[in-house]
Amino acid sequence: DTAVSQTPKYLVTQMGNDKSIKCEQNLGHDTMYWYKQDSKKFLKIMFSYNNKELIINETVPNRFSPKSPDKAHLNLHINSLELGDSAVYFCASSYGTSGRIDTQYFGPGTRLTVL
Amino acid sequence: DAKTTQPTSMDCAEGRAANLPCNHSTISGNEYVYWYRQIHSQGPQYIIHGLKNNETNEMASLIITEDRKSSTLILPHATLRDTAVYYCIVRVAGIQGAQKLVFGQGTRLTINP
Repeated sequence: DTAVSQTPKYLVTQMGNDKSIKCEQNLGHDTMYWYKQDSKKFLKIMFSYNNKELIINETVPNRFSPKSPDKAHLNLHINSLELGDSAVYFCASSYGTSGRIDTQYFGPGTRLTVL
Repeated sequence: DAKTTQPTSMDCAEGRAANLPCNHSTISGNEYVYWYRQIHSQGPQYIIHGLKNNETNEMASLIITEDRKSSTLILPHATLRDTAVYYCIVRVAGIQGAQKLVFGQGTRLTINP
C-alpha cells in the first residue's frame, strides 16, 4: 500500500539516450511534483502539476518534459541525456488545497546515472 | 520565501532529547515553519509545522520564539533511526497548487549509541 511509488528505482544509461521515470500516488492528491537532488545533496523542485495542469515550471532544460495522464500519475521524460542529469529524482504529492497547510509526501526516489 | 539558517551537523546520544535550531529572521507574518527530514537514500518525510504557537505531534515538538525569528525542533527521545538530515523550511501556505518547498542544506543529525 505504498503511498507514492516511482519506477525504476535505479536507471543507468548512456549519454544521448531518452528515458522516462514514472510516478504514481494512491493518496487521492490533486498535486504532484518532481524534485531533483544532485551530487551535493541539494533538493530542488523542477515541476508541479495540479489536476493534470502544469503550475510550477522551474528553470529546467526543455529536454525534461513532465506528463500527467491523470491526477494520480506524473511521469518525467528526459531526452538526449547528459552527464549532468545524473541525480536522484523524487516525486511527491499533496492535496494542493488553497488556504490550507499542504504536507508533501515523497516517493523513494529514482537514481539516474548517465555514463 | 524567507531564508533559513541551520547548523551543518549535530550529534546526540541515543535516548536523549535532540534539539535542532533554525534561524529565520526575515520570516513574514503569513509564513509557516515546516520541518522535513531525509533519512539516507530515502525521500524527505514531513515532521511538523507551525505558525506562532508551539506544536507537538507523535514525532516531535516545535518551539517557535515569540518574535518568530527562530525555532527549535525537539525529538524528545532520539533513537538511532532518527539519524537523518533535517530541513527547516519557511513558506507561505495555501496558494492553490503552488506549494514548492525550497530545501537548504539542512542539519545532519547523528544519533550515537
